[in-house]
Amino acid sequence: QKEVEQNSGPLSVPEGAIASLNCTYSDRGSQSFFWYRQYSGKSPELIMFIYSNGDKEDGRFTAQLNKASQYVSLLIRDSQPSDSATYLCAVSGESGGGADGLTFGKGTHLIIQP
Amino acid sequence: DTEVTQTPKHLVMGMTNKKSLKCEQHMGHRAMYWYKQKAKKPPELMFVYSYEKLSINESVPSRFSPECPNSSLLNLHLHALQPEDSALYLCASSLLTGTNQPQHFGDGTRLSIL
Repeated sequence: QKEVEQNSGPLSVPEGAIASLNCTYSDRGSQSFFWYRQYSGKSPELIMFIYSNGDKEDGRFTAQLNKASQYVSLLIRDSQPSDSATYLCAVSGESGGGADGLTFGKGTHLIIQP
Repeated sequence: DTEVTQTPKHLVMGMTNKKSLKCEQHMGHRAMYWYKQKAKKPPELMFVYSYEKLSINESVPSRFSPECPNSSLLNLHLHALQPEDSALYLCASSLLTGTNQPQHFGDGTRLSIL
């Protein structure tokens, strides 16, 4: 059974600082890794996805993947109060992000302090 | 607003009622998914449809019956639900199956069972 682990938080970060969110996964065959942001009472919104080892940057967001350590992270630079949300790490299996469905971590609650 | 449209947004039903949830996308995606999310928990996969055929059923009770009439539409038929089935039901879609395609979620249907 696939497991995805995240620290539930809350993680409190001052406005303008870098927020660092971490995730580990159990299935070494996992191929695709996704970060979703979910505001309270809303549906998950895709922020980043990464498939290869290394870093992937998109605006203020950087996803990092280390398959040897089974570790994926999300960095948010210049954190804004609007970044306050729950961040869900999701993983899909050997056939990719399509037919397998996603296995989610429990999410990290991020609070950006003005 | 998302490109995956779910109706209704809210649904209250008794345990003896029959109702249906509807999900629609016009992005040409060929994989569609149903997830269930309880309060303060991550989404849990229920069903996966690939090219309009059911490819994954995560041991969901038969009181939940999915249907995919065409490539744009996904239904979830509900009958004789229990109070513990109260949750946010999320529909998602991805471009293709078997490839590393991210899933995009609708706004969800918030279901309450009386």
